[in-house]
Formats: sequence, structure tokens, C-alpha cells
Amino acid sequence: QKEVEQNSGPLSVPEGAIASLNCTYSDRGSQSFFWYRQYSGKSPELIMFIYSNGDKEDGRFTAQLNKASQYVSLLIRDSQPSDSATYLCAVSRDNAGNMLTFGGGTRLMVKP
Amino acid sequence: GAVVSQHPSWVICKSGTSVKIECRSLDFQATTMFWYRQFPKQSLMLMATSNEGSKATYEQGVEKDKFLINHASLTLSTLTVTSAHPEDSSFYICSTVGRGGQETQYFGPGTRLLVL
Repeated sequence: QKEVEQNSGPLSVPEGAIASLNCTYSDRGSQSFFWYRQYSGKSPELIMFIYSNGDKEDGRFTAQLNKASQYVSLLIRDSQPSDSATYLCAVSRDNAGNMLTFGGGTRLMVKP
Repeated sequence: GAVVSQHPSWVICKSGTSVKIECRSLDFQATTMFWYRQFPKQSLMLMATSNEGSKATYEQGVEKDKFLINHASLTLSTLTVTSAHPEDSSFYICSTVGRGGQETQYFGPGTRLLVL
């Protein structure tokens, strides 16, 4: 079993729709959770991080964390073609952002 | 956040040569930097943690004699791929943990290595 699992996709949504990206992790000791976006040929860029159970909203993005279910998700509202990218979920055992373990990523395609 | 640069952005070399990749923290002093490798259509894999003034910590399966890491200053870490072979061709990315209470990793733009 992989430590951090994501559906590889592609996940295809129409422009303006909500895209829902999911991630599960195996290490119950994980403390912090991150979503990165990676465009083809580029390095990852941070979208959001979340430490506590519940929802965290930032603009069009909402991260959801459920530690009991070992599940973290990212919702993208009003999806735009520019959101088309691979979304990487990462978890860390500490709150200092060290020792990230990445999932395989989900490729999102937003169609005009 | 943090601003991280890498140089070069891409390099092509012959098999058997050594390649040095630089990672710089541009806007703050980074005591710790991380080196990742990403093969096509795969996710990032942590290779090593680079600590200023001390030896790097390598992940299991990463040959420390092949991937030499030097973190001689608070703004510069280097990764040298020694005696590179075609299977070392990959996207190498460094990162550092940002400051200001937001303990998240910020990534450099990456270096694409092609070994012929």
C-alpha cells in the first residue's frame, strides 16, 4: 500500500464546475497536509495547507481534512481551463513542513 | 513564503560525466533544503535533506556517493550527480521551508537532466 494515494485521473470537468480531488494516507501520525499544483514541465507550487480537521477555504479552493478517515480533499469551485494541471497531495509527520511524502498526483482537465 | 532558484534549468551531458546543480534561497537564510527527483509521469521522491554545515541525510535507496550534496552556506545547496548515466535522467527539484510561521515547502523551478 502506498503511503499517500491519489486517483491518477484524468479528472475531466467542464468550465465553471466544481472539481473534487481526493487523497488518502496511511500514516496516522501525519500532522500536516498540503496540496500542490504542478503544470507540465514545471515544479510544484503550493495551493493550500491544512493541519486541523474540517474545512479550510482560500478563494476558490477548499481543503477538507478528516484524520479519523485519513482522508484529505481539495475542492476547486468555478473551475477554469487554467486550473488544468496535476494536483499533488503531500503529508508530513511534523508541523514544520519537513519530510513530505507525495501522492502520485491527479491530473485535472477543465474543458472550456 | 520563500523564493528559491535553481541553476541550470536544464542540462544535457554525456554518460560518465558529473553534473552540479545549484539551489539558492533568495530571500531568507535556509538551514535546511530538500532535494527531490521526479521521473516522467511520476510523483516527487525525496532524495535527501541538506543541512547547512553538516552532512546531508539521504533517503533509503539513494546512493550518497553518487549524489553528493553540499550545503556550505545558508543560501546555497548543491547537488552533484557523479558519473551520470542515462537512468539518472530526471527532473531534479530543490525546496526549502518557508518562514513567517507558515511551515510549508517552497520549490525551486527544477533542473531537467538528460544523460546521453
